[in-house]
Amino acid sequence: RKEVEQDPGPFNVPEGATVAFNCTYSNSASQSFFWYRQDCRKEPKLLMSVYSSGNEDGRFTAQLNRASQYISLLIRDSKLSDSATYLCVVTNTDKLIFGTGTRLQVFP
Amino acid sequence: GAVVSQHPSWVICKSGTSVKIECRSLDFQATTMFWYRQFPKQSLMLMATSNEGSKATYEQGVEKDKFLINHASLTLSTLTVTSAHPEDSSFYICSARPGTSGGAGNEQFFGPGTRLTVL
Repeated sequence: RKEVEQDPGPFNVPEGATVAFNCTYSNSASQSFFWYRQDCRKEPKLLMSVYSSGNEDGRFTAQLNRASQYISLLIRDSKLSDSATYLCVVTNTDKLIFGTGTRLQVFP
Repeated sequence: GAVVSQHPSWVICKSGTSVKIECRSLDFQATTMFWYRQFPKQSLMLMATSNEGSKATYEQGVEKDKFLINHASLTLSTLTVTSAHPEDSSFYICSARPGTSGGAGNEQFFGPGTRLTVL
């Protein structure tokens, strides 16, 4: 079983739509949680950290459920520029463990 | 913000040759750098953790004699792919973690990656 699992998608949504991504992780000792964004042929870039209390950054809302070992990302009012692959990442000691990513394509 | 560069950004080489990739932290000191590899449509896989002045720690299944890592200074780590073969063709990405409070906790700053193609 992969340590971090994500639905690979693609999710094809129109501009303005709300889309949600989910992620599960297997190691209950994981300490920190992140969502990264990766554009094609580029390096991953940190989108936001994820906390149990939930956190919001503009149109993006992340949530962590430690009991279920589940992480989510909600994107509201999707923009064309949101098209990318979204990577769920957990840390184990000082290592980042990446999911395979969920591909989002926003169309006009 | 913290900037990490990689050089070269892409390289094409013949099978059997060695390729060196540089990773530099431009505006901060990085006691720890990480090397990842990403195959098409797959996740980033950690290859090794590099600490300045000491030997790198390799992940299971990564051959240390094939992927030579040197972290000679607080701003530079190099990865050398020795005797490269077509199956080594991949996207190699480094990241650097500030040695001071330049980053938040575990935050790592990624280089732009190096695309290696072995013919």
